[in-house]
Amino acid sequence: AQSVAQPEDQVNVAEGNPLTVKCTYSVSGNPYLFWYVQYPNRGLQFLLKYITGDNLVKGSYGFEAEFNKSQTSFHLKKPSALVSDSALYFCAVRDEFTGGFKTIFGAGTRLFVKA
Amino acid sequence: DTGVSQDPRHKITKRGQNVTFRCDPISEHNRLYWYRQTLGQGPEFLTYFQNEAQLEKSRLLSDRFSAERPKGSFSTLEIQRTEQGDSAMYLCASSLRGGENTGELFFGEGSRLTVL
Repeated sequence: AQSVAQPEDQVNVAEGNPLTVKCTYSVSGNPYLFWYVQYPNRGLQFLLKYITGDNLVKGSYGFEAEFNKSQTSFHLKKPSALVSDSALYFCAVRDEFTGGFKTIFGAGTRLFVKA
Repeated sequence: DTGVSQDPRHKITKRGQNVTFRCDPISEHNRLYWYRQTLGQGPEFLTYFQNEAQLEKSRLLSDRFSAERPKGSFSTLEIQRTEQGDSAMYLCASSLRGGENTGELFFGEGSRLTVL
């Protein structure tokens, strides 16, 4: 069965500094990996995905994520944080072969960017 | 197309009552998903449809829960004899099928249920 872990409930960073939000996963087959963001009173929005190919994927709003197969990780990064990046971030995984079309989400990490 | 829409956005009900939520997916999407999200948690998978066929149901979906997608377009999620533990945000998402689908989900803004 697939699973996702986000080890940090909250990440605090100063505006202009780089940010990292951590994610590790477990699947039986090849993983499809995703990051979503949730702003207050809004639905989840897709940020980026890794399916295959280059381990560094770029997404919306200047975010990127690095797939590391040996560490089963897919950390979300941004070189320079903005106050407007403050939100709830979810890592998600779908198992290519055994998970059907079910996407499993982590518990989320709240990002606070201080001005 | 304005994206995935859900109705109602908020529902307050008394324990024991039945409630129904509706989801209208993006028009060209033939996969539709229901998730439940409680405070401080990530979305939990409930069920999904490909066209009108319900292909998978989570063990979270007790006998009191039923979901339908009768014509492969909109979907309804009904909860019978609601319990206080059913209080949550119910999220609907849709996606494309086939080679163009690499799993990205498009979510609605959710229907928040409060059971008193």
